[in-house]
Amino acid sequence: SQTIHQWPATLVQPVGSPLSLECTVEGTSNPNLYWYRQAAGRGLQLLFYSVGIGQISSEVPQNLSASRPQDRQFILSSKKLLLSDSGFYLCAWSVRFTGEQFFGPGTRLTVL
Amino acid sequence: AQRVTQPEKLLSVFKGAPVELKCNYSYSGSPELFWYVQYSRQRLQLLLRHISRESIKGFTADLNKGETSFHLKKPFAQEEDSAMYYCALSGTGQAGTALIFGKGTTLSVSS
Repeated sequence: SQTIHQWPATLVQPVGSPLSLECTVEGTSNPNLYWYRQAAGRGLQLLFYSVGIGQISSEVPQNLSASRPQDRQFILSSKKLLLSDSGFYLCAWSVRFTGEQFFGPGTRLTVL
Repeated sequence: AQRVTQPEKLLSVFKGAPVELKCNYSYSGSPELFWYVQYSRQRLQLLLRHISRESIKGFTADLNKGETSFHLKKPFAQEEDSAMYYCALSGTGQAGTALIFGKGTTLSVSS
């Protein structure tokens, strides 16, 4: 069966420090991969999506970037964190050309 | 523009009362609609999708294209239904099959 992992579960970082959040999927090949940010009262905001290795599309301009170095690995990064980057980050995957997505456990990021 | 609107941030009901979580959408094609649920300390997970037309945990949702709505209903709420509920739309275009989510409604069921 397919599983999706995210780490770390929680992270506290100072403003201006770098960020790397990792997401891996098991049990499937060529998934679509997504990064969302979940903020209270603002729902889920799609940040990035990827349909293949090295293929990244950004939905909103921001201080973050994403990479997909392997088929089932998706990384969210920042060179310098801002206070506004605090939030709950969710990784998700889907079988291509279907709408249903499967979510990871999320990472709670606090920038101080 | 593609958009999902959930007008209620919080819905509080008593156990055994009917529940209706509202969802309206804006989409210029044939949408695929979903309801996702997030229970406390659990992952966001799919509750149901309109194309399957099934009842999950007593919940149903009917796509009304005329009113562009996909409201989630349950005749008798249970305390274990307390959770955050998100309505989502499968869009096309730049985001491929990425989901467009509403802002979510917190359902609180008390005894």
